[in-house]
Amino acid sequence: DTGVSQDPRHKITKRGQNVTFRCDPISEHNRLYWYRQTLGQGPEFLTYFQNEAQLEKSRLLSDRFSAERPKGSFSTLEIQRTEQGDSAMYLCASSISGRGAADTQYFGPGTRLTVL
Amino acid sequence: AQSVTQLDSHVSVSEGTPVLLRCNYSSSYSPSLFWYVQHPNKGLQLLLKYTSAATLVKGINGFEAEFKKSETSFHLTKPSAHMSDAAEYFCVVSADTGFQKLVFGTGTRLLVSP
Repeated sequence: DTGVSQDPRHKITKRGQNVTFRCDPISEHNRLYWYRQTLGQGPEFLTYFQNEAQLEKSRLLSDRFSAERPKGSFSTLEIQRTEQGDSAMYLCASSISGRGAADTQYFGPGTRLTVL
Repeated sequence: AQSVTQLDSHVSVSEGTPVLLRCNYSSSYSPSLFWYVQHPNKGLQLLLKYTSAATLVKGINGFEAEFKKSETSFHLTKPSAHMSDAAEYFCVVSADTGFQKLVFGTGTRLLVSP
């Protein structure tokens, strides 16, 4: 168990550019989540995958955002035509589905995006 | 819809004194509740989790929390603070619906002085 990893850890980009982040979940975790955390706030849910299926998307996820998990393992989050308001920490988490109560989600270190 | 309110944005304690971080939740169903800790430049770490078993939940590093349905509270406590406890703490509730969305509070920054 090497934990959830995210790449890159930091990304600085100019407004209007596209960026892509990668998340590698804990092996054998079938559920994967993306959250966004802005300064001074708690993380906010963006989207959720069970295996390769994207089962839920937040209203925060505008048309400029797209997430994929093509083989049910790693996931990518792409932001097109970045805006300054996209500057945030993007967190990935994974879990293994159980019965009944909510899974325990394990978080990665995050990717900090700065849009100039 | 579910939500959590962390009643203090900052809590300051002296090393060796008790810690109390307050959290109230709102949920239509029996919730799952969590406390996560975030140290600077580190990822979120689970402290403890409540899932309708025992109402007093023990976590890592000496932390515990008590679920009180009548008060809709899930306060985090520790008998004696350590300098390494200084961090941001988040109270979290799971979604009422079948999928696994977590709803975070705004966080409480714990400051520990020598």
